[in-house]
This record gives sequence, structure tokens and C-alpha cells, in this order.
Amino acid sequence: QSALTQPASVSGSPGQSITISCTGTSSDVGAYNYVSWYQQHPGKAPNLMIYDVSNRPSGVSNRFSGSKSGTTASLTISGLQAEDEADYYCCSFASTSTYVFGTGTKVTVL
Amino acid sequence: QVQLVQSGAEVKKPGASVKVSCKAAGYSFTSFTNYYMHWVRQAPGQGLEWVGVVNTRGGSISYAQEFQGRVTMTRDTSTSTAYMELSSLRSEDTAVYYCARGGGSGEHLDYWGQGTLVTVSS
Repeated sequence: QSALTQPASVSGSPGQSITISCTGTSSDVGAYNYVSWYQQHPGKAPNLMIYDVSNRPSGVSNRFSGSKSGTTASLTISGLQAEDEADYYCCSFASTSTYVFGTGTKVTVL
Repeated sequence: QVQLVQSGAEVKKPGASVKVSCKAAGYSFTSFTNYYMHWVRQAPGQGLEWVGVVNTRGGSISYAQEFQGRVTMTRDTSTSTAYMELSSLRSEDTAVYYCARGGGSGEHLDYWGQGTLVTVSS
């Protein structure tokens, strides 16, 4: 199972919106609505930000939103803030009853 | 509140095995939801890699293909502890290993342990 493809880095100024893409195949992202997104600050464990493509866990800011079209899922961060600077990973359930993570995206707030 | 507490750092020689534990608190291993425990690893400076998942109610497992034959995931419902054992260790297995609860019906990882650093070095 190959890793899902994410851009290595995305940047934006405070207050702007950015979108991170996550491209998979018809056996993972394209087949199931089980895409989740995780935020990871340096030296910390990942934190769930979005699950089932577009659902936000309680406590996660509504500035984070998720969507999916075909084999590509996306995470949008609106009103970018300094605290959003972190690594972001997508994850999808796959047809072999396994899971696959994305390659990861480093978000920089300019 | 839900907490996952993992065992401490390990240093192993190539060819050895390591067993990492993950003790859960704040929920039931045998509840009708949230009954999966995933294991994820992260090599130094690298991304997240899914290793496998164990059903904490019935014990069924699913492993990533690249770990088949080398990894064993188990659980002890009496102590709400999950275990991951990795054998035939090589230097490339040096990583932080995380346990993470499968939320809802298991398809997302809603609570994570603090991570266990496993170093493989001769």
C-alpha cells in the first residue's frame, strides 16, 4: 500500500486560507468516506482534526474543514493563525482492511 | 477522560525483539464502540506509518503488509492494556511507536499515547 500523496509544504500569511490536498487511489480515498486528518507539532503526538472526510471532533476549531472529490481529499484552514504551524497528515481506510497515511505537509505561517 | 499511557524507551540490538505496552484508562476495552487500538510509528524526521490494529473486544488483528510475519498485536482486557511486539529488528525500525484508539467504529484515531522510542543499534 503506497502512501497517499500530499504536498511537502504549504504556507500562508496570518488570516489567509490554505488548502492541503491528499491524493490516493480508487482502493482507498476514492472508495471510502473514512479520511481523517491529523495535526502534529514538533515532538508531540498527532492530534485528530477531521474524521470521516468532513467531521470535526469537539474542541477542534471550525477554521478547519475537510472535503473529498474522487480520489483526492482536502483539508482547508481558514483564518490562518501562528498556532496552526505544524505538520499535517491525512489517513484513509483501504480495501485490504488496512490504513494508509499521507506523506505529510509542513504548514508555515509567514 | 481517555488516556493512553505507553511503556518507556527501549534500546535493542539488531535481530532482537521489542514489546511495547499501551495501558488505557477512561473507557472500556470491551465497549460497543471505540474498541480498536491502532499502532503507528514515526522514524526520526519522517512521516507517520500505520503498523496495524487490534480489536480490543474480540482480539482480531490487521497488519500492514510490510510488517506481516514480524509484528504481533495482542490485548489484555483484564488490565485494559494493548501490546505490540516487533521481531527481527533492524536499524530501520528505529522510531517512535504510538498507540492510538480507534474512535467510533474505528476508522479514525481519536486519542494517542505519548509514544515510545525504540532504538535499534549494535
